[in-house]
Amino acid sequence: EPEVTQTPSHQVTQMGQEVILRCVPISNHLYFYWYRQILGQKVEFLVSFYNNEISEKSEIFDDQFSVERPDGSNFTLKIRSTKLEDSAMYFCASSEGQAYGYTFGSGTRLTVV
Amino acid sequence: AQSVTQLGSHVSVSEGALVLLRCNYSSSVPPYLFWYVQYPNQGLQLLLKYTSAATLVKGINGFEAEFKKSETSFHLTKPSAHMSDAAEYFCAVSPTGGGNKLTFGTGTQLKVEL
Repeated sequence: EPEVTQTPSHQVTQMGQEVILRCVPISNHLYFYWYRQILGQKVEFLVSFYNNEISEKSEIFDDQFSVERPDGSNFTLKIRSTKLEDSAMYFCASSEGQAYGYTFGSGTRLTVV
Repeated sequence: AQSVTQLGSHVSVSEGALVLLRCNYSSSVPPYLFWYVQYPNQGLQLLLKYTSAATLVKGINGFEAEFKKSETSFHLTKPSAHMSDAAEYFCAVSPTGGGNKLTFGTGTQLKVEL
C-alpha cells in the first residue's frame, strides 16, 4: 500500500536554529498538509498546499514557517528559528481529494533544546 | 468553524466487550467525517470515513461508525474488543465545500483489559 514517508524520524536542534522536515507524499496525490501534535495534546493543522501554493494556513503557521515542493516528489516544512515551544511531533499528509481521506506519515519528532 | 467533540478522554473496556467511542460534530451543513487511530509512537491511520454516501460506514479492524444527522454524531463502535485495539482514537471533520483541512478532536485513549 502506498505510504507517505517522513525523514528524519527524530530531530534534536538548538533553539534558534533552522530545521527542515522532509516528506515524500504519495505520488498521485494532489493535496499536501503539515500537522503537528504537541505531547499529550490534539493534532493541529498547520498548512495545506495545492497546485504549488499554500491553500490554507493556521495562526500557528507564522513567518517562521515555510513550505516548499522543490521537485516532483518532496514536500518540506522549514522552521527558520526554532523555539522551545516548537517541540512536537510533525506529521505530513497527502490526499487525492478530501472525500478520499488523508494518508499520514509516521511523523518527525522535533525536540528543541 | 467546524469542530468535533470527543466525549471521554479515556475509555476502558474488557476484552470481548463492546467498544463505543463518541464523537459529535458542529457544522452548519453535513461535513466529511473521519476516524483515525494512533498506536504508540506511530502515525495516524485512517479507520473509516463518511463522505455523504451510506450513513453506516464500515472500516478496518472490525470498526464501524454511523452518521446521525439528527444527533450530529459519528460514534465509533466495535462489537468485540481485542487487546490489539488499545490505542488513541481521533475523530476529525472536514468541510465538504471549499477548504479541505482536517480538524481533529482531542482524542480518546482506549484501554482494553483482560
